[in-house]
Amino acid sequence: EPEVTQTPSHQVTQMGQEVILRCVPISNHLYFYWYRQILGQKVEFLVSFYNNEISEKSEIFDDQFSVERPDGSNFTLKIRSTKLEDSAMYFCASSEALLLRAEAFFGQGTRLTVV
Amino acid sequence: RKEVEQDPGPFNVPEGATVAFNCTYSNSASQSFFWYRQDCRKEPKLLMSVYSSGNEDGRFTAQLNRASQYISLLIRDSKLSDSATYLCVVNMRPAGNQFYFGTGTSLTVIP
Repeated sequence: EPEVTQTPSHQVTQMGQEVILRCVPISNHLYFYWYRQILGQKVEFLVSFYNNEISEKSEIFDDQFSVERPDGSNFTLKIRSTKLEDSAMYFCASSEALLLRAEAFFGQGTRLTVV
Repeated sequence: RKEVEQDPGPFNVPEGATVAFNCTYSNSASQSFFWYRQDCRKEPKLLMSVYSSGNEDGRFTAQLNRASQYISLLIRDSKLSDSATYLCVVNMRPAGNQFYFGTGTSLTVIP
């Protein structure tokens, strides 16, 4: 069964450092997303990406965040200068198309710990 | 008002019990509704989509009430393996791509 894959599974970084989280969405999917979940809290939308550009973004997705699809398969989230409060599980997701009932499929997540 | 609201629980039920979760959403124009399941420290996994007419998948039944803007999930004959957090997810835009999550409802099925 096709799946969304994320690497690394766990990343520890020092405050102020840049991190890049990587995702390989399901191959025939056209919409890609990043979500985060702070421990014990709800899953929060960060950004959606379609046709090589950002489609939607939330208030959380400020200038410190950027996304890129550098080639035909990878989808990355970069945090330029990490803060302690960026520590969370980051989930990548993809969905098939802009269909009313197209569900999102999630990767296993990258646990980011900022120290 | 939060976009998607759920009772966080926890719900602790014995094996074999029937349990129901409700969820309300704020945007009346929303078109897509889902229930996801999340195990501890794992990714959300789609349990079922919710259709206007209601739909059933084995022991699970989902209902949508557009007039009252709520979605429900009914689990019959609960199994130990049903223990998880159940997430209500709504695509807020009629033809959009921003999925909003509720806080999740925690279920523990007790032997």
